[in-house]
Amino acid sequence: NAGVTQTPKFRILKIGQSMTLQCTQDMNHNYMYWYRQDPGMGLKLIYYSVGAGITDKGEVPNGYNVSRSTTEDFPLRLELAAPSQTSVYFCASSYSTGVGSYEQYFGPGTRLTVT
Amino acid sequence: AQTVTQSQPEMSVQEAETVTLSCTYDTSESDYYLFWYKQPPSRQMILVIRQEAYKQQNATENRFSVNFQKAAKSFSLKISDSQLGDAAMYFCAYRSAYNNNDMRFGAGTRLTVKP
Repeated sequence: NAGVTQTPKFRILKIGQSMTLQCTQDMNHNYMYWYRQDPGMGLKLIYYSVGAGITDKGEVPNGYNVSRSTTEDFPLRLELAAPSQTSVYFCASSYSTGVGSYEQYFGPGTRLTVT
Repeated sequence: AQTVTQSQPEMSVQEAETVTLSCTYDTSESDYYLFWYKQPPSRQMILVIRQEAYKQQNATENRFSVNFQKAAKSFSLKISDSQLGDAAMYFCAYRSAYNNNDMRFGAGTRLTVKP
């Protein structure tokens, strides 16, 4: 199992450009998440999905979009990149029946710089 | 909204000694889950230990144990017999049992292990 994979590992964007961060998991998890981690801070939830075709906003969704067409993939789209979106982005997945202290499995992260 | 506070930005410990990392949280909920995640320089987020709020017994995983004080809303992590590989950022996290998609992270504690 590769677990949760993210591409690219690093990216530099100019202000106003767009890009898609890719996330794939091979554990057949129903739940998937996108977080951002700003310097010296903990992770904050951007968007999440409880299954294919279902997505919802987290704590900091502005400036981002997601889609979940398959169980395995959960891409994060940045439209009109801004310097405030400079951060490290983590994708995570978990298997959940709705309750329980289930573990979230994290990808290695994507470091994005917007200049 | 729930908040998680880690009051120690940095801690250091001598190899083979014991260190305790502090975490407090604010919630009005009675049922929730608490986690400690380790983030080494590779940036990979690794679950260290978890605690269900309804359980009075403190969780233990080998050299890692927690001191869970529900009334005080405190959840500290004790690392015994510290090893060089324990050096990392440690994040405390809270997740409501009523909203399984909202995980709140503290700002982290950077642990240095001295040989």
